[in-house]
Amino acid sequence: GQQVMQIPQYQHVQEGEDFTTYCNSSTTLSNIQWYKQRPGGHPVFLIQLVKSGEVKKQKRLTFQFGEAKKNSSLHITATQTTDVGTYFCAGPFSGGSNYKLTFGKGTLLTVNP
Amino acid sequence: DGGITQSPKYLFRKEGQNVTLSCEQNLNHDAMYWYRQDPGQGLRLIYYSQIVNDFQKGDIAEGYSVSREKKESFPLTVTSAQKNPTAFYLCASRNPGPRNQPQHFGDGTRLSIL
Repeated sequence: GQQVMQIPQYQHVQEGEDFTTYCNSSTTLSNIQWYKQRPGGHPVFLIQLVKSGEVKKQKRLTFQFGEAKKNSSLHITATQTTDVGTYFCAGPFSGGSNYKLTFGKGTLLTVNP
Repeated sequence: DGGITQSPKYLFRKEGQNVTLSCEQNLNHDAMYWYRQDPGQGLRLIYYSQIVNDFQKGDIAEGYSVSREKKESFPLTVTSAQKNPTAFYLCASRNPGPRNQPQHFGDGTRLSIL
């Protein structure tokens, strides 16, 4: 079955440092989504990437979708304490309907002020 | 406000007991999902429903049951057959479409064994 792997599992940074999390799929994805879950909260949708090689930015966050559509990354420039949380990538099941997502295990980001 | 409401926020289960987690949405979404989250783990799909009166098993359906009698409601029952039920349970919904529409999550229910 389809697997979505994320690395690293944990990342601790000093405020102001950059942060990157990587997502790799065992199969080609039609699209990929990113979610953020604050401690004690629920996942909140951040963005969706659809096109090969696509790059999207949201303020200090930059999202990339690989040329082969099997990997993606989220980069945060100059982290702030508000960035703390777990970042998940998720992709639809290969060959299946668009109604199911496979989530990676997430990267927990902690920021030292 | 439109959204997804999960209740209760905290739930305790005794050995051999079935418990039901509530999930209600007023977003008029067709598809609804139940996920289980364990510490340090991602979201694992338990059951999902794309339309009223229809649902499918996810990756870890054993020990769980669901119903979808109304569009707004998708309750999850954790049965006594689920030997390790302690986890954070998240309900989500989305509108189907040609692309992968984002999922909207409730605040979750934390289930523990007494």
